[in-house]
Amino acid sequence: SQKIEQNSEALNIQEGKTATLTCNYTNYSPAYLQWYRQDPGRGPVFLLLIRENEKEKRKERLKVTFDTTLKQSLFHITASQPADSATYLCALITGGGNKLTFGTGTQLKVEL
Amino acid sequence: DAGITQSPRHKVTETGTPVTLRCHQTENHRYMYWYRQDPGHGLRLIHYSYGVKDTDKGEVSDGYSVSRSKTEDFLLTLESATSSQTSVYFCAISESPGTGFGNQPQHFGDGTRLSIL
Repeated sequence: SQKIEQNSEALNIQEGKTATLTCNYTNYSPAYLQWYRQDPGRGPVFLLLIRENEKEKRKERLKVTFDTTLKQSLFHITASQPADSATYLCALITGGGNKLTFGTGTQLKVEL
Repeated sequence: DAGITQSPRHKVTETGTPVTLRCHQTENHRYMYWYRQDPGHGLRLIHYSYGVKDTDKGEVSDGYSVSRSKTEDFLLTLESATSSQTSVYFCAISESPGTGFGNQPQHFGDGTRLSIL
């Protein structure tokens, strides 16, 4: 069956360090992969989209990589700040139509 | 923020009662989605719509129905609510996929917290 896996354990890092979050998937070859941020009590907010033929994509302090051989995406936040503390979700199309399937998310806590 | 309004924001009801949640958008996007979010399961798609009166099932559609009579409104109905449907429900919208499915971001409302006692 198709699976999307993200670390369920919270990631705690110090301010100024680079946070790296992992998204692994199995039994599928998506053309696109998306990353979202979710704050408590709010809906997810879209951050970045990467195509299968793009190895890397950047937006300000964010960087996403997409390795279709490993079936893995890495999400990096450089020079992390306490305001980056949130849950980060990856998502991809796993079936027919425009239906996204989301991972369960990884909670990031950036400490002073 | 994308113009998405979910109503009500909070609701408490009893098992066996019908419940309707509303999603209203002002972006004129073709696609609309209903998700539920539960601890340990993450976001799961219930139903989605790709146009007026055009809908399709998602991963967890049993016990739910939807209707879309206008571009801007997408309704989710629990015909006879059960305690297992206690959850946070999110509506999302997106533009048409264009060159391929999955290449458009989804924009979410702030959710409806539904408790069924």
